[in-house]
This record gives sequence, structure tokens and C-alpha cells, in this order.
Amino acid sequence: GAGVSQSPRYKVAKRGQDVALRCDPISGHVSLFWYQQALGQGPEFLTYFQNEAQLDKSGLPSDRFFAERPEGSVSTLKIQRTQQEDSAVYLCASQAGYNTEAFFGQGTRLTVV
Amino acid sequence: AQSVTQLDSQVPVFEEAPVELRCNYSSSVSVYLFWYVQYPNQGLQLLLKYLSGSTLVKGINGFEAEFNKSQTSFHLRKPSVHISDTAEYFCAVSGSGGYQKVTFGTGTKLQVIP
Repeated sequence: GAGVSQSPRYKVAKRGQDVALRCDPISGHVSLFWYQQALGQGPEFLTYFQNEAQLDKSGLPSDRFFAERPEGSVSTLKIQRTQQEDSAVYLCASQAGYNTEAFFGQGTRLTVV
Repeated sequence: AQSVTQLDSQVPVFEEAPVELRCNYSSSVSVYLFWYVQYPNQGLQLLLKYLSGSTLVKGINGFEAEFNKSQTSFHLRKPSVHISDTAEYFCAVSGSGGYQKVTFGTGTKLQVIP
């Protein structure tokens, strides 16, 4: 596709519900990042993939958060047993290689009620 | 580890006036520096980046930034702003070379007043 695509754009979940957020990176991009952007804050790093390998997951806030990229293309961020503090915009970015520009998707706004 | 400080959470400025958005960083290693813009309900768009070379970096939409290593700053400037520049601007830093995660500041909302 022309850019990074994220779906859904908006998600409302009841507390305790599991959610799955999808990211379609730019075709051929090796690197993929997930960020969490809370209201009024800058994006905060969650995890990084190089192809299908998850090389850094140091930013995942708890073991309720899980990300995968099984074929080195589409990635899914899963949040189990959602809590109100999980409400945020989740941004995905892809990058062709080191020292190249990272392209961001429009994000998924998750609201936990 | 790196960190970024954007002291100004909001900056109002009249149309056609100059603007400077401040950014200071801290790092124990060489860094790459970035400015991103985020329009309402949009993703982040790269305005400009400093990787190496000239400390004055020019970006899109008439913006420029200067890397000052001694002051650990990377302030963003534009000589004459337009209404369409109203957005949130994020300064970001990463270590240089290879894979390095990007650390963002808390953002500065630029409000251009007609």
C-alpha cells in the first residue's frame, strides 16, 4: 500500500475485554515499531520487530500486552483483560532499514470503559 | 538511555510571525535528532532529521532546526508561520547507528492566530 495502515481506527472495549490491533506496514519494510500515546503525551516505545523477529519488547507495560509479526509483514498488538489505563492511541511505524525514515500510521484510538 | 525535554506545552503565535519551538535532549552517546508534526487525528509526519554533517537542517513546509551539541539543543524554527502550521510538534532522539528506539518529547502545540 501507499502508507502504513492501522485498523481499526477506533476501538471501544469494556474493561476486562481482549482487543487486537492490526498494523499493515509499507511493503518491503523490514523494521516495525509499536508506540503508545496517552492523551497529552508523546508516543512511548512499546516494541520493535526486524522482519518476524521481536528484537525489543522492553516497552511493553505488562504481560497483558503481546505483539507478533509471524510472517514479517502484518503485525498485531494484543491486549488482554483491558484496563482503563490502557486507553491511548496505539501507533505503528515501519522503516525500510537503519537510518531511514520511519513512516507512521494514523493510529488506533483505544478507549476502555 | 536518552531523554527529550520540550518545555513549552503550547505556543501561540500570530500568522506570518516567526516561531521557535524549543527542544533539549540528554544522552551519553552520539544521537540522531528528529522533529515530527502531528495534525489532529493523524499519524506522525517527519519534518526533518539530523543524522550527521551540517548542524543546520532544513525540512518540509519551510521549517529548519539547528543542532547545538554544546547546549544539547535542537530547536525548531520557521520565519513566517501559516494557519496550516497549527498542529502538535514532537522532538525525538535516538542513539546513532544500527537499531535504536526513538524517544519522544511530550510535544508542543503550535496555535497560529489569524
